[in-house]
Amino acid sequence: DTGVSQDPRHKITKRGQNVTFRCDPISEHNRLYWYRQTLGQGPEFLTYFQNEAQLEKSRLLSDRFSAERPKGSFSTLEIQRTEQGDSAMYLCASSLAFLPDYGYTFGSGTRLTVV
Amino acid sequence: AQTVTQSQPEMSVQEAETVTLSCTYDTSENNYYLFWYKQPPSRQMILVIRQEAYKQQNATENRFSVNFQKAAKSFSLKISDSQLGDTAMYFCAFPNNNNDMRFGAGTRLTVKP
Repeated sequence: DTGVSQDPRHKITKRGQNVTFRCDPISEHNRLYWYRQTLGQGPEFLTYFQNEAQLEKSRLLSDRFSAERPKGSFSTLEIQRTEQGDSAMYLCASSLAFLPDYGYTFGSGTRLTVV
Repeated sequence: AQTVTQSQPEMSVQEAETVTLSCTYDTSENNYYLFWYKQPPSRQMILVIRQEAYKQQNATENRFSVNFQKAAKSFSLKISDSQLGDTAMYFCAFPNNNNDMRFGAGTRLTVKP
């Protein structure tokens, strides 16, 4: 297992376009998290899955954002009608279900630039 | 909701010296874990150290140790014998109702040669 993988590493898109990011977690991890990180700030929670179920969504996750985790494996995060304010690093992390014992393993992130 | 505060946006230290990064948090829970993460310029977050709140002994991982003061809700990170590779953003993190991790705003640490 090579850890948490995210694709693409970088994405530049025009305002109004849709983008989709992919995250492949550590195979035995049943929890998967999406975070957003703007420059110089800490990661902000967006949503998380336990297996295929999306259990919590942050108020930061507007209607333009949707996340899926079919079959409890990889996950996708889609942003529709992108806005310049969506420019950020999107981080994926995975863990075993009982978070406090183990912490997270993060991917390298997808940097989105909306022009 | 739990909050995490890091009051030092930037710090610097000379190579081989010791530096302490501060973190305070707020929670009504009694049993919990606290974490420090490192994010080097390559941007991948790495777990540095974790502390279990019910343990009085401060956690230590090689050159990294914490000063955990539960009553004061303080969780500082001490880096001894600082190395150039320690240059990074450091985030204090705290589980939010066991569902997700909440992060502080971070401290940018620069180790100077």
